[in-house]
Amino acid sequence: AQKVTQAQTEISVVEKEDVTLDCVYETRDTTYYLFWYKQPPSGELVFLIRRNSFDEQNEISGRYSWNFQKSTSSFNFTITASQVVDSAVYFCALSEAASLMETTDSWGKFQFGAGTQVVVTP
Amino acid sequence: KAGVTQTPRYLIKTRGQQVTLSCSPISGHRSVSWYQQTPGQGLQFLFEYFSETQRNKGNFPGRFSGRQFSNSRSEMNVSTLELGDSALYLCASSLVAGPGTYEQYFGPGTRLTVT
Repeated sequence: AQKVTQAQTEISVVEKEDVTLDCVYETRDTTYYLFWYKQPPSGELVFLIRRNSFDEQNEISGRYSWNFQKSTSSFNFTITASQVVDSAVYFCALSEAASLMETTDSWGKFQFGAGTQVVVTP
Repeated sequence: KAGVTQTPRYLIKTRGQQVTLSCSPISGHRSVSWYQQTPGQGLQFLFEYFSETQRNKGNFPGRFSGRQFSNSRSEMNVSTLELGDSALYLCASSLVAGPGTYEQYFGPGTRLTVT
């Protein structure tokens, strides 16, 4: 069974501070996919990044960066120089790949963590 | 390109009634998935449709059902509403079924309140 743990319920920072969100996952599969989504107060989940299990290269996109470490089953997310607009709930998600018994892939294994509320104050 | 749209955005229903929510995926996307979001249970997978076929269903009672039309638009229906069905219902669309090659994009959700 797969599991995603976001231990931090809420993180509060002052604008321009860096904030790191932790994500720890469990899966028995060797092929899986990891995602981060942002949910602002409007409610819509915004896709941020996707990672394959065989691609441990870290990534930086503007003020966002991700650190994927298979050895510790972690996929952490850092916002550098936070801004008020970064205030949102951030979700880490995991999806295992189709098994050998399945002819096609499915989103049915897509599982979210509980989310981390980020509050950035001016 | 227009994003995923969901209608209505807000809905208030009474216990025992039924409700139908609609989702229009991004143009060209053939996979539509539905999720329920509540403060207690978080985000939970409801079901996934691909090419008008339900490919997977989450652990929800039979009161929750859905369908997908030939233009990929999808509807979900909840019959005999219970107070616990109050939630944000999110729809997501993807080019293909499953995460193997593509991500999924979410709509703004339908906020259902059952009184």
